[in-house]
Amino acid sequence: NAGVTQTPKFQVLKTGQSMTLQCAQDMNHNSMYWYRQDPGMGLRLIYYSASEGTTDKGEVPNGYNVSRLNKREFSLRLESAAPSQTSVYFCASNGQINEKLFFGSGTQLSVL
Amino acid sequence: GQSLEQPSEVTAVEGAIVQINCTYQTSGFYGLSWYQQHDGGAPTFLSYNGLDGLEETGRFSSFLSRSDSYGYLLLQELQMKDSASYFCAVRGGGYSTLTFGKGTMLLVSP
Repeated sequence: NAGVTQTPKFQVLKTGQSMTLQCAQDMNHNSMYWYRQDPGMGLRLIYYSASEGTTDKGEVPNGYNVSRLNKREFSLRLESAAPSQTSVYFCASNGQINEKLFFGSGTQLSVL
Repeated sequence: GQSLEQPSEVTAVEGAIVQINCTYQTSGFYGLSWYQQHDGGAPTFLSYNGLDGLEETGRFSSFLSRSDSYGYLLLQELQMKDSASYFCAVRGGGYSTLTFGKGTMLLVSP
């Protein structure tokens, strides 16, 4: 039982490049989330998917797109990376208890 | 929207008791959650208070006062491994997502 799996763990991009962060969960959870974490800023929600086939914007969605590919997978895409998107990105999911999120191990992204 | 306030840093010694406070403002309220995050790691769920009062889980307890929009996490018999960041989080009304505080870094010294 792997829980929430994110790839890659580390990535360096040049400004303007694009990339997709992958996330998969094997807990049969309906809801999935993408957060970013910056020093002193806590965790801020980028996008979420309350159920398969739906996605909604969170607090900081600009510059990102998401795809809920199926119940297991929720990807985050940066179409044209900017230095302001340098951050640690966490994918998370939850089942029946909305307050209990299960997080992936994170992706450390640097945009030069 | 939601906003949360918690201290940025707390220090304590091994074996001591420490309390991390959290005050919140939210439109609608389901409950207060706490998460732990070790340096370089992922946040992990610690506790949830949906009703007023104290919830105890081993060395950790969490308290909520809905009338005061206030809660705290209490860590007893501190160990070095408790050095981590602790985040409070709230979920507002309707279907809404968790909003996290900025975190409290707990430093436990020998």
